[in-house]
Amino acid sequence: DAKTTQPPSMDCAEGRAANLPCNHSTISGNEYVYWYRQIHSQGPQYIIHGLKNNETNEMASLIITEDRKSSTLILPHATLRDTAVYYCIVRTTGANSKLTFGKGITLSVRP
Amino acid sequence: GAVVSQHPSWVICKSGTSVKIECRSLDFQATTMFWYRQFPKQSLMLMATSNEGSKATYEQGVEKDKFLINHASLTLSTLTVTSAHPEDSSFYICSARDLYSSYEQYFGPGTRLTVT
Repeated sequence: DAKTTQPPSMDCAEGRAANLPCNHSTISGNEYVYWYRQIHSQGPQYIIHGLKNNETNEMASLIITEDRKSSTLILPHATLRDTAVYYCIVRTTGANSKLTFGKGITLSVRP
Repeated sequence: GAVVSQHPSWVICKSGTSVKIECRSLDFQATTMFWYRQFPKQSLMLMATSNEGSKATYEQGVEKDKFLINHASLTLSTLTVTSAHPEDSSFYICSARDLYSSYEQYFGPGTRLTVT
């Protein structure tokens, strides 16, 4: 699976949008972009995934650049409960694929 | 939605003893389950992949005789840490892949193991 690069940390104010960037310049055509988050001392939580089109669900939006070499996860109205480590992962969806976690980005939402 | 449970949520054991951690997919069938380990302030590290009814595949550097994995049914996998030592103290997280949902992967809440 291709590797991803994320800044180590960022913060945002409560109620504002949080835009979390991710670079995946070596992504292959059949690899999806997945985002998970991990709140302290809990298991990872699935947020969203996409192939090349932008995606939105009740938690977040995923914007993927046209060349697919980078993406941005958007939390439209961040709350204190969104403070967590966010992992951007690229993987195929085949039976033999695995989720390999990098260091992620620590998002701190301040009051 | 898809729920994965782990039991126990935390355990303390003495050095030299063995401890078993259970991972269950509660509302879906999982032919494949994954076991991760996470040390403080570090990311998740994949330890092994288990497929129902067959032997687990371990990642490089993970001792298969120390971390015994059994995946006897489509909803249950177990990880047994044998002859535990203090350096095995960690957060162990399992994950299950949904057989019928494009291979999506769901995570359990984790088990905190402390070896004294």
